Amino acid sequence: DTGVSQDPRHKITKRGQNVTFRCDPISEHNRLYWYRQTLGQGPEFLTYFQNEAQLEKSRLLSDRFSAERPKGSFSTLEIQRTEQGDSAMYLCASSKIPYSGSSYNEQFFGPGTRLTVL
Amino acid sequence: AQSVTQLDSHVSVSEGTPVLLRCNYSSSYSPSLFWYVQHPNKGLQLLLKYTSAATLVKGINGFEAEFKKSETSFHLTKPSAHMSDAAEYFCVSNTGFQKLVFGTGTRLLVSP
Repeated sequence: DTGVSQDPRHKITKRGQNVTFRCDPISEHNRLYWYRQTLGQGPEFLTYFQNEAQLEKSRLLSDRFSAERPKGSFSTLEIQRTEQGDSAMYLCASSKIPYSGSSYNEQFFGPGTRLTVL
Repeated sequence: AQSVTQLDSHVSVSEGTPVLLRCNYSSSYSPSLFWYVQHPNKGLQLLLKYTSAATLVKGINGFEAEFKKSETSFHLTKPSAHMSDAAEYFCVSNTGFQKLVFGTGTRLLVSP
């Protein structure tokens, strides 16, 4: 399978603990995105990378959240001092850089990591 | 700011009957619009996209959507529902800076 993969698929943690999620994008994709989806809502943008550079961060991404993509391949999303409000599905997506004259290239989504904070 | 509004949180149809999932958009300029489908325990999948070429857009699995500027709508339709169509559907816009803005979703229920 050459799609976007995420690990783990499920994470249960206690409030105050740190958690880290991993995303492996499609290999030739330069861009990688993180979204968060809470119950009954659509996904909300958190941040995105082009290669190893983090180009945009949402205001939703508090200082307890940090994302990295050190070699421009896989990415990690860490949440420090988790709170119950962090419980959500964390989605990763990847895409190619749009070619000249286009503003969009399809984002391919992984299956997500479901976080439950007790 | 760009946003999309999905008018129904749930839609129920019988297998073999038409499907209509409604979406209105708000934008100060011509948006790029998409429909994504989310099956349980699977990743979001792109059904179709509108990027100002043709107003009637055909997607996968027999779905299509029509961009109507006068009504600021981008409704998703399918002539005949199949049991496998049961899923969550999201109307999505693109800000032009690669950030997708999702609607709240419509859950499609298909009964035999």
